[in-house]
Amino acid sequence: SQQGEEDPQALSIQEGENATMNCSYKTSINNLQWYRQNSGRGLVHLILIRSNEREKHSGRLRVTLDTSKKSSSLLITASRAADTASYFCATGLSGGSNYKLTFGKGTLLTVNP
Amino acid sequence: NAGVTQTPKFQVLKTGQSMTLQCAQDMNHEYMSWYRQDPGMGLRLIHYSVGAGITDQGEVPNGYNVSRSTTEDFPLRLLSAAPSQTSVYFCASSSSVSETQYFGPGTRLLVL
Repeated sequence: SQQGEEDPQALSIQEGENATMNCSYKTSINNLQWYRQNSGRGLVHLILIRSNEREKHSGRLRVTLDTSKKSSSLLITASRAADTASYFCATGLSGGSNYKLTFGKGTLLTVNP
Repeated sequence: NAGVTQTPKFQVLKTGQSMTLQCAQDMNHEYMSWYRQDPGMGLRLIHYSVGAGITDQGEVPNGYNVSRSTTEDFPLRLLSAAPSQTSVYFCASSSSVSETQYFGPGTRLLVL
């Protein structure tokens, strides 16, 4: 069964706007990661946040983690057409290892020029 | 570095045929994994390996075999293909000191 669930399933915005995607999960985690997948390509790692962190930034990306609500959000600021992709959250479970991630179903982001 | 490579990019099989999906990485990563991606299902873990000679099952292992004779290679074998195995298959690797997984470009498999 899926550990993470992204919301919304699809998001369409204009270039320059901010995009926010959410991820909810069910069990205790060690870390939560966000990946991007361009159409027909493999996944690319974007950012990782550990269970003892609440917020993390990387360039135009901002990730928050609320372990009490078992949820995370990914904010992409000043979006560009090149940000059009599917975004997945993946959780590493507490007591688990680096090689076992559980992925959500993804959010399809479309940034219109 | 080439990173994670997968071959073939696309394959069509008939029900009952067998084939091997190849995966190789040149980053000296200990961990390697196989996922399948189906529409609306996200990625699901098939098998994984924590090092040469060590493999284990993931969430959806039935119908697939793996082996890890070297650090670099982690082939996925379909013993008797079924239409339910039509999917996109991704191989990934990671090191023991980082949680980041590096993905290959995928193999698109169609079973008729």
